[in-house]
Amino acid sequence: EAGVAQSPRYKIIEKRQSVAFWCNPISGHATLYWYQQILGQGPKLLIQFQNNGVVDDSQLPKDRFSAERLKGVDSTLKIQPAKLEDSAVYLCASSFFSVTGVAKNQETQYFGPGTRLLVL
Amino acid sequence: RKEVEQDPGPFNVPEGATVAFNCTYSNSASQSFFWYRQDCRKEPKLLMSVYSSGNEDGRFTAQLNRASQYISLLIRDSKLSDSATYLCVAEKGGYNKLIFGAGTRLAVHP
Repeated sequence: EAGVAQSPRYKIIEKRQSVAFWCNPISGHATLYWYQQILGQGPKLLIQFQNNGVVDDSQLPKDRFSAERLKGVDSTLKIQPAKLEDSAVYLCASSFFSVTGVAKNQETQYFGPGTRLLVL
Repeated sequence: RKEVEQDPGPFNVPEGATVAFNCTYSNSASQSFFWYRQDCRKEPKLLMSVYSSGNEDGRFTAQLNRASQYISLLIRDSKLSDSATYLCVAEKGGYNKLIFGAGTRLAVHP
């Protein structure tokens, strides 16, 4: 079974530039997550989608970050304009989880390889 | 206070050693808990879920103490391949929202 796909794998930009990341979840997974992992820290959830709706975006810096999942499958995360502190790995994850409730063993989140962003 | 706290380590142990990691969480409403493993420059992968009754998977044993809001992971007979960062994770809010600790680094040496 194919895993979560992300692109690009690496990106170097200058501050104030824009950048976009793409994620394709595991087929059939209703829920998609974007995380930010700063060096030395655990992943921090930025936004959670179920199908094409937002479940949680409480930690998304909405003045500069945006995300969409228009058709309920793949998703893009954009940063505009980027700041130095946005340097991090951006991880996408997906799960079969549904907010309407499913079997417990369907909670597992599967992560993609991440996009490593360096802002200069 | 961080929602999930872990000792960052590193824990440097010889092959064959037993090592234990501890973790505390602040949200008493959390229902589900997990240990994820993250290799250097790789994505996190689920190692095991943690249940109140305790659970074991081969050389790995996880324990949950709800009263103390404390989670542990025990690794027996450490292998070189166990070298990684171990992330303690608590679910929050009932919507599969995961709160990750900063991770504990383990280095197993020959």
